[in-house]
Amino acid sequence: GIQVEQSPPDLILQEGANSTLRCNFSDSVNNLQWFHQNPWGQLINLFYIPSGTKQNGRLSATTVATERYSLLYISSSQTTDSGVYFCAVAYSGGGADGLTFGKGTHLIIQP
Amino acid sequence: GAVVSQHPSRVICKSGTSVKIECRSLDFQATTMFWYRQFPKQSLMLMATSNEGSKATYEQGVEKDKFLINHASLTLSTLTVTSAHPEDSSFYICSAPPPGATEQYFGPGTRLTVT
Repeated sequence: GIQVEQSPPDLILQEGANSTLRCNFSDSVNNLQWFHQNPWGQLINLFYIPSGTKQNGRLSATTVATERYSLLYISSSQTTDSGVYFCAVAYSGGGADGLTFGKGTHLIIQP
Repeated sequence: GAVVSQHPSRVICKSGTSVKIECRSLDFQATTMFWYRQFPKQSLMLMATSNEGSKATYEQGVEKDKFLINHASLTLSTLTVTSAHPEDSSFYICSAPPPGATEQYFGPGTRLTVT
């Protein structure tokens, strides 16, 4: 199956700082999603980005499919950005396959 | 985005009993739903694919007789943990892809504690 590696595993930043989270995957995929898991366990969809670049407010993401990695950028961090960020992939696009998750990046934003 | 709900959000049961967890798609029909489990401070692991009107497909290493899945309608899938033991204590999360959508949406999860 596909292997997904995320780095760094832990990241502690001051409020206002910028951060870059990385996701490497071992095979060609047609589905790549970034999620933020809040303290209550809810997974919040951030991006669906099997290739290309997208931006949503202070967050942006880039996937270079040919090199099998994706980056999530968080600018001007706020304490509410704290939590675990997961990258998840699947061979098939849409809902055909379950997702394979990385181990996540645990982000702590200090005031 | 699409809304997926789960019930209950939290359940405590005694060892040896069975527990049923529901996953519902509230504003769309889902022919396929997925069940994951997450141990504390770990990642999510796919357990099984729930298919409406047919048998579920289980991932390698997941006991199909312990984790019974029934996809009775286009908006409801249930996961029953049979003869639960303390090692079954975990966070169970379902996901569903809306028809024609590119991404999957997750329910809020169910925290199961077996005493």
